[in-house]
Amino acid sequence: EAGVAQSPRYKIIEKRQSVAFWCNPISGHATLYWYQQILGQGPKLLIQFQNNGVVDDSQLPKDRFSAERLKGVDSTLKIQPAKLEDSAVYLCASSLDRQGGREQYFGPGTRLTVT
Amino acid sequence: GQNIDQPTEMTATEGAIVQINCTYQTSGFNGLFWYQQHAGEAPTFLSYNVLDGLEEKGRFSSFLSRSKGYSYLLLKELQMKDSASYLCAVRDEGGSYIPTFGRGTSLIVHP
Repeated sequence: EAGVAQSPRYKIIEKRQSVAFWCNPISGHATLYWYQQILGQGPKLLIQFQNNGVVDDSQLPKDRFSAERLKGVDSTLKIQPAKLEDSAVYLCASSLDRQGGREQYFGPGTRLTVT
Repeated sequence: GQNIDQPTEMTATEGAIVQINCTYQTSGFNGLFWYQQHAGEAPTFLSYNVLDGLEEKGRFSSFLSRSKGYSYLLLKELQMKDSASYLCAVRDEGGSYIPTFGRGTSLIVHP
């Protein structure tokens, strides 16, 4: 079974530029998560999708971050414009659903450096 | 909201036993997860507790006390490869089931 795929793996941009990350979850997983993990900290949930609907985006900085999962499968996360404090690893995860003992499967992450 | 507290760093000797604690204060509770994260890699699932008690899985065990807002991860027969960050994550209830991660405990296993 293929795992969660993410691209790119690394990205370096200047502040005020735009960037987009892509995630392909495990086939059949209804729930998809985007996390931001700053060095030395735990993952912080940015947005959670159930199929193609948003369950929670309360911690997403909506003035600069956006995410979509149009067909309930792949997802993209965009930052526009980027700030220095956005430097982090962006992790995508998926699970069969969001209840019960359904663990999350994480992708390898995208390491973003904003200069 | 959720408030999750874990020790920042722990050290232990190869072959020994180590207990990593996690305390939480939540507005609702719908399960607690432990994940392992090696440096530069993605977190991987270790355990899930939703009822009080101990769940054992090989060298790893996880305990939960909901009344105390407390969990621990017990690692036995430590190996060098167990050097990693251990993340405690609590999921709330109320329909969204939002998972919140702690900062993680960096475990260093030395010979």
